[in-house]
Amino acid sequence: EAQVTQNPRYLITVTGKKLTVTCSQNMNHEYMSWYRQDPGLGLRQIYYSMNVEVTDKGDVPEGYKVSRKEKRNFPLILESPSPNQTSLYFCASSLPSSGGSSYNEQFFGPGTRLTVL
Amino acid sequence: RKEVEQDPGPFNVPEGATVAFNCTYSNSASQSFFWYRQDCRKEPKLLMSVYSSGNEDGRFTAQLNRASQYISLLIRDSKLSDSATYLCVVNRDDYKLSFGAGTTVTVRA
Repeated sequence: EAQVTQNPRYLITVTGKKLTVTCSQNMNHEYMSWYRQDPGLGLRQIYYSMNVEVTDKGDVPEGYKVSRKEKRNFPLILESPSPNQTSLYFCASSLPSSGGSSYNEQFFGPGTRLTVL
Repeated sequence: RKEVEQDPGPFNVPEGATVAFNCTYSNSASQSFFWYRQDCRKEPKLLMSVYSSGNEDGRFTAQLNRASQYISLLIRDSKLSDSATYLCVVNRDDYKLSFGAGTTVTVRA
């Protein structure tokens, strides 16, 4: 089954304790992205990756790191989590865009609900 | 100004009714437009892409108005299963998408 998986699905942690949220896709997609979703706001992009070893900042990258060592995996790292990073996080993957009107469907993982105390 | 703005609703409609709502976007250079559906804080899923000439997918019709920079979604013959939050999505460049905060639709029996 084609899917994007995220782990953990739920996490409660304390300020400053490093954590990693994993994301894996089995569709051989080049493009992967991390978003956070907060009440009243749309999904906001944290980081994205166009392919292995190619990553770039999205709109809200502060406090986050990513890596793309393999095509299927795109982990999100919070080196020193703070309460303002409490949010619902989604990983997404897609085939690369050809630009213009050739955007491809984004496939989202089930989400990770993170609470930082 | 937000890049994509939506009326948050909720739109409460009876089964069988027609409901329509819009989304406005600020980037006149945007070329790709989508509606995604999100159920109760689960992952968003693509409902339909929006094409310049407008397009229909069963009971769902999407329209694009470039001059006024808005897209619309119309749901005919609403079903209980249509209850969800509908996200308007617009591209900003080759790798970035802007998401609206969503319009909530509740269909009642």
